[in-house]
Amino acid sequence: GQNIDQPTEMTATEGAIVQINCTYQTSGFNGLFWYQQHAGEAPTFLSYNVLDGLEEKGRFSSFLSRSKGYSYLLLKELQMKDSASYLCAAHAGNNRKLIWGLGTSLAVNP
Amino acid sequence: DTGVSQDPRHKITKRGQNVTFRCDPISEHNRLYWYRQTLGQGPEFLTYFQNEAQLEKSRLLSDRFSAERPKGSFSTLEIQRTEQGDSAMYLCASSLRFEQFFGPGTRLTVL
Repeated sequence: GQNIDQPTEMTATEGAIVQINCTYQTSGFNGLFWYQQHAGEAPTFLSYNVLDGLEEKGRFSSFLSRSKGYSYLLLKELQMKDSASYLCAAHAGNNRKLIWGLGTSLAVNP
Repeated sequence: DTGVSQDPRHKITKRGQNVTFRCDPISEHNRLYWYRQTLGQGPEFLTYFQNEAQLEKSRLLSDRFSAERPKGSFSTLEIQRTEQGDSAMYLCASSLRFEQFFGPGTRLTVL
């Protein structure tokens, strides 16, 4: 079957670093997306990893290990506005369909 | 604004009524997706178009749901004989390559 797992909730402190993990099991895996979603808003794209390794984009970095079926999103220098749900999605198959996790709700406290 | 747009943003209807939502994708995007999302859940895939062809439809989608993309541009999602369980946020996304760009969603409340 196809499955995406990520923690339901995480809490961190402003200015700190937080790592949100995601494990996946899919057939025909192409790559792994991370999206950010604030309450009541649509998801917005953060990153897309196809190859193994770490990709850095400002305060956010994303890592992928295809052999382990594992990814993480690393958020540095946390800000209050980073409080949101972070969705992991596997891109699988030829039809570009995304298989979504349930999202990790991150609360950043002062 | 040249992003994905959806209309209406909010819809309140009584059980048993039909509703129709519209999505206008980014103009050069040939792929269009419909998702449904409930509170605390990730988006749930409903259906997918490449140009005007509907290439996949979720088995979760009952016969009450139908989607069209007649000219390969905008798309409509119709729900017939709405039920309270249909209350959710309906998201539309479009893509040209891999990244999917989402619209603001239509929040449906069925009373």
